[in-house]
Amino acid sequence: AQKITQTQPGMFVQEKEAVTLDCTYDTSDQSYGLFWYKQPSSGEMIFLIYQGSYDEQNATEGRYSLNFQKARKSANLVISASQLGDSAMYFCAMRAIGGATNKLIFGTGTLLAVQP
Amino acid sequence: KAGVTQTPRYLIKTRGQQVTLSCSPISGHRSVSWYQQTPGQGLQFLFEYFSETQRNKGNFPGRFSGRQFSNSRSEMNVSTLELGDSALYLCASSLIQGANLNTEAFFGQGTRLTVV
Repeated sequence: AQKITQTQPGMFVQEKEAVTLDCTYDTSDQSYGLFWYKQPSSGEMIFLIYQGSYDEQNATEGRYSLNFQKARKSANLVISASQLGDSAMYFCAMRAIGGATNKLIFGTGTLLAVQP
Repeated sequence: KAGVTQTPRYLIKTRGQQVTLSCSPISGHRSVSWYQQTPGQGLQFLFEYFSETQRNKGNFPGRFSGRQFSNSRSEMNVSTLELGDSALYLCASSLIQGANLNTEAFFGQGTRLTVV
């Protein structure tokens, strides 16, 4: 069975500083994808970044980067130069790649508060 | 390009009633998944549809059902509502199903259901 663990219920960060949100996963699949989503108070889940299990380089998307350590089964999200608008819930998610499903397994999320 | 549209945004129902939620995916997307989000259980997968067929189902009672139409729009129905069904229901659309590449899921803003 697949499982995502996010051990940080809440985090504070000062504006303009970098922050790392932790995510560990467990799966028996050989091919899988790891996703990070941002959920502001409005409720919509906003896709941030993706890492495939066979990708050798860490994914980056603007201020977001994913620190992927396959042997440790971790996929931490790094947000550089935090902005006030980054305050939101952040979810790590996983799905099997190549199977007949788009089902995402989510972690419990981390509430990030950016302070001025 | 219009995003995923969920209607209604907010809903208040009484225990024992039934409710139907609607999701219009991004134009051209054929895969629709539904998730329930509650403070206690987090984000849980309900079911997924592709080409009008249910492809996968989560661990929810039979009171939860869904369908997908030929235009890819999807509805989910909850019968005999219970207080515990109060949640944010999120719909996600994807271009195809179970691809070998990143099949990004785009989420709607959700329907917030309150059962009283």
